Amino acid sequence: GQQVMQIPQYQHVQEGEDFTTYCNSSTTLSNIQWYKQRPGGHPVFLIQLVKSGEVKKQKRLTFQFGEAKKNSSLHITATQTTDVGTYFCAGTSGTYKYIFGTGTRLKVLA
Amino acid sequence: DGGITQSPKYLFRKEGQNVTLSCEQNLNHDAMYWYRQDPGQGLRLIYYSQIVNDFQKGDIAEGYSVSREKKESFPLTVTSAQKNPTAFYLCASRERPGETQYFGPGTRLLVL
Repeated sequence: GQQVMQIPQYQHVQEGEDFTTYCNSSTTLSNIQWYKQRPGGHPVFLIQLVKSGEVKKQKRLTFQFGEAKKNSSLHITATQTTDVGTYFCAGTSGTYKYIFGTGTRLKVLA
Repeated sequence: DGGITQSPKYLFRKEGQNVTLSCEQNLNHDAMYWYRQDPGQGLRLIYYSQIVNDFQKGDIAEGYSVSREKKESFPLTVTSAQKNPTAFYLCASRERPGETQYFGPGTRLLVL
């Protein structure tokens, strides 16, 4: 079945360093979504990417969707302590089901 | 987020009991979803419903049941057949295919 892998599983960075998480699907995706989950909280939608090669930015966050629509990345520039949490990608292949990645847990050391 | 409520926030259950988790949305969304999240893990799909009176099994439906009698409500019952029910349960809804899912605040279920 369809699988979505996410790496790394954990990442510790010093405040001010950059951070990147990668998402890879075993099949071509129709779109991919990114979520952030704070410790003890629920996933909060960040962004959706639909087009091949699409790049979107939200302040210090940059999201990319691969040309083959099978991989995606989230890059945070100059991390802050407020960036702490787990980042999930979720892809769909045109069905009603979303397949979530395993998540990357980010810790930012002040 | 916004418009999706789940209750209760915490739920304690004795082994062998069925419990029902509530999920209500006022976003007029067609599709609703139930996910399970274990500590340090990702989200796994339990059930989903595209329209009223219709629902499909997800990847881990065994030991769970749902109903979709109203558009705004999608309750999940954790039955005694679910061998390891302790987890964080998240409900989500979406307006149209391919659009964003919005999550409720979740219910933490603990089996005593």
